[in-house]
Amino acid sequence: EAGVAQSPRYKIIEKRQSVAFWCNPISGHATLYWYQQILGQGPKLLIQFQNNGVVDDSQLPKDRFSAERLKGVDSTLKIQPAKLEDSAVYLCASSFNPDRNTEAFFGQGTRLTVV
Amino acid sequence: AQSVTQLDSQVPVFEEAPVELRCNYSSSVSVYLFWYVQYPNQGLQLLLKYLSGSTLVKGINGFEAEFNKSQTSFHLRKPSVHISDTAEYFCAVRRGSTLGRLYFGRGTQLTVWP
Repeated sequence: EAGVAQSPRYKIIEKRQSVAFWCNPISGHATLYWYQQILGQGPKLLIQFQNNGVVDDSQLPKDRFSAERLKGVDSTLKIQPAKLEDSAVYLCASSFNPDRNTEAFFGQGTRLTVV
Repeated sequence: AQSVTQLDSQVPVFEEAPVELRCNYSSSVSVYLFWYVQYPNQGLQLLLKYLSGSTLVKGINGFEAEFNKSQTSFHLRKPSVHISDTAEYFCAVRRGSTLGRLYFGRGTQLTVWP
């Protein structure tokens, strides 16, 4: 079974530039998550989708971050404009449904460096 | 919001020695507990989970964890570690009322020395 695919693996940009990350969840998984993992910290949820609807985006800095999941499959996360503190690994995860009994599977992440 | 505390940021241990990685969480009516492992430049992989039932949970790679409701703890243990266990370990909590959201601890770097 193919896992969660993310691209790119690494990205270096200058502050105030924009960047986009892509995620392809496991086939059939209705729930998709984007997490931000800053160095030395645990992952923090940015946004959660159920199919193509947003379930939780309370921790998403909406003045600069946006995410979409058109057609309820692939998702993109965008940062515009980027700040130095956005340097982190961005993890995408998916699960069959958001029920407590189902496991979330994580992609390898995209490491963003803002200089 | 839920909080998860991993008391040790780094745990060095020699090969074949036992190890315990500690995790405490803020109390809630019902919680579901997870341990994930992250190898360098990799995503997170589920080690084990507690949803209900027996408080002793066994996971992959010989790891186990015990849910202690009175102490709000979910410590991870392995009786004999291998060099290949070197990785970052994250404890995570999901509240029963939330739709899948995981709250993670800061992580514990386990380093196994030969």
